[in-house]
Amino acid sequence: GAVVSQHPSRVICKSGTSVKIECRSLDFQATTMFWYRQFPKQSLMLMATSNEGSKATYEQGVEKDKFLINHASLTLSTLTVTSAHPEDSSFYICSARGGAPYGYTFGSGTRLTVV
Amino acid sequence: KQEVTQIPAALSVPEGENLVLNCSFTDSAIYNLQWFRQDPGKGLTSLLLIQSSQREQTSGRLNASLDKSSGRSTLYIAASQPGDSATYLCAVNDRDDKIIFGKGTRLHILP
Repeated sequence: GAVVSQHPSRVICKSGTSVKIECRSLDFQATTMFWYRQFPKQSLMLMATSNEGSKATYEQGVEKDKFLINHASLTLSTLTVTSAHPEDSSFYICSARGGAPYGYTFGSGTRLTVV
Repeated sequence: KQEVTQIPAALSVPEGENLVLNCSFTDSAIYNLQWFRQDPGKGLTSLLLIQSSQREQTSGRLNASLDKSSGRSTLYIAASQPGDSATYLCAVNDRDDKIIFGKGTRLHILP
């Protein structure tokens, strides 16, 4: 079946540094990818929607200059957390439209810890 | 604005029991509803998808129902096993074609 590969699965970084998370669709082309984050005991919240070749659309309250999203190809989207702070520590997960009967396939998630 | 609520937030039951997890949503204009399983620190595993025109879906010991008009869905787990312990998430694909998640129900099956 359709797979979305997300890397890294876990990352620890120092405050002030940047971290890049990759999300690749395998065996299918993902024209649209979604990025979510989940704080402890909270819902998965949509951060942004990215369409291949165009700028991402960010949800209200999500800083676009802090969370850089690039969707340069039909199989790859990246999320870069710039100047990370401890409050950015969270579980980030991507989703791609396509490849599944219902249209959405999820990555395995990335646990980011900023120290 | 679509809101998804899951009750209870946490549940512990002895192995072998049947159980029901509840999900409610505020806007009935949805395309579909999904139930996911999330293990600690892991990604999502899709369990069941119910299209807006459907009433229920079954997979093995799992049965999910959908009453769109009342904004409710239930996930029924039969003959629970310790391996069923996880967080179960309900999510709707709303009228804006976005997926809105509930906070989940943390299920613990006692051996």
